[in-house]
Amino acid sequence: NAGVMQNPRHLVRRRGQEARLRCSPMKGHSHVYWYRQLPEEGLKFMVYLQKENIIDESGMPKERFSAEFPKEGPSILRIQQVVRGDSAAYFCASSPTPLATLSYEQYFGPGTRLTVT
Amino acid sequence: QQQVKQSPQSLIVQKGGISIINCAYENTAFDYFPWYQQFPGKGPALLIAIRPDVSEKKEGRFTISFNKSAKQFSLHIMDSQPGDSATYFCAASIASGSRLTFGEGTQLTVNP
Repeated sequence: NAGVMQNPRHLVRRRGQEARLRCSPMKGHSHVYWYRQLPEEGLKFMVYLQKENIIDESGMPKERFSAEFPKEGPSILRIQQVVRGDSAAYFCASSPTPLATLSYEQYFGPGTRLTVT
Repeated sequence: QQQVKQSPQSLIVQKGGISIINCAYENTAFDYFPWYQQFPGKGPALLIAIRPDVSEKKEGRFTISFNKSAKQFSLHIMDSQPGDSATYFCAASIASGSRLTFGEGTQLTVNP
């Protein structure tokens, strides 16, 4: 049973370019979370999605950042017009359907390290 | 009120010793408290978790102690090994399916 998949693992973008980060949840998981980890810091919540729905985006910057989890395919975190301050590790986590399983566990992928030059 | 405070920031333990990491929270609505282990360049891995209806949970060498009245919980690693050297994060969430609020992390070094 494959774990949470993220790609690319490393991404280098120049200031002003767009970054697209992809996340495929574990098999059977329908809930996806995105977290950001700045160097030498803890993880900060960004957004929580179910298929075709954004459940909680309270941690997402108001501009330049967007996320989606379409009916088919991976979840995408998009950062438009990247700036140096966007350089960080972006982690995706998935969980099974909470109401069905009463499960609270979130399982993390290996992350995408974004470097903005 | 959403913060989770973690201490110490770094910890050095001799092989075979006990590593203890502490976390405190303010929000009494939190009802799920996991610990994650992260190695450099890797994603956080779920280690052990506890709900507030129990005061202690043990899995192998790892034990969570939970004090609801003090709003504190801690991770104990017994017989610490060099392979345990990693960064450990405590976290908390409200109800199933909601976001995790993480502590600042503790960098553990276990000397051989």
